[in-house]
Amino acid sequence: QSALTQPASVSGSPGQSITISCTGTSSDVGSYNFVSWYRQHPGTAPKLMIYDVSDRPSGVSHRFSGSKSGNTASLTISGLQAEDEADYYCSSYAGTPSFGVVFGGGTKLTVL
Amino acid sequence: QEQLVESGGGVVQPGGSLRLSCAASGFTFSNYGMHWVRQAPGKGLEWVAFIRYDGSNEDYADSVKGRISISRDISKNTLYLQMNTLRTEDTAVYHCAKDTRFAMVSWGQGTPVTVSS
Repeated sequence: QSALTQPASVSGSPGQSITISCTGTSSDVGSYNFVSWYRQHPGTAPKLMIYDVSDRPSGVSHRFSGSKSGNTASLTISGLQAEDEADYYCSSYAGTPSFGVVFGGGTKLTVL
Repeated sequence: QEQLVESGGGVVQPGGSLRLSCAASGFTFSNYGMHWVRQAPGKGLEWVAFIRYDGSNEDYADSVKGRISISRDISKNTLYLQMNTLRTEDTAVYHCAKDTRFAMVSWGQGTPVTVSS
């Protein structure tokens, strides 16, 4: 159960677009379309932003989009806003038996 | 409105035990799998355990396997995490979360666990 690999930090200016990568293996990201992305502001619980690689839950802005290629998933945020500054985590189902779910180490997004 | 409220956290000595609870409301608890996820101070999210909607199967992270047990009581709409032989590295805020296709769609605010002598 090795953690997925994310960049420690990314930054962008308001209105710009940024992409956060999430690299796994052929046993998790590469094998399943159960990739999710979460946003966490300091001191609060995480919030689901993307599930099933590219689907958005009701109420999540269309500025958030997800994709996957091979063992790497990506989260793109367009039209950056100050409220987007937060920690972002990816996760993936890691198969059976008993591999459960694996998270990325998290990426700190700074809006300049 | 869906709500998950954790309780049962606290300070415990190494080797001790705790049972965490997660009270669910606003959705049909018996229809959904549930997760426990923890976050150590200043660290990232770590998946801990999952139980299927009907309680027929459980999965655990390697770091807790054999020491931690997840269970649910449908009649009480409550999820549990029994933690035994606790270690200092188990210190974290523990969140319960509702599952849909291995995505954690709703989260509780968490209950803090500190393992220290």
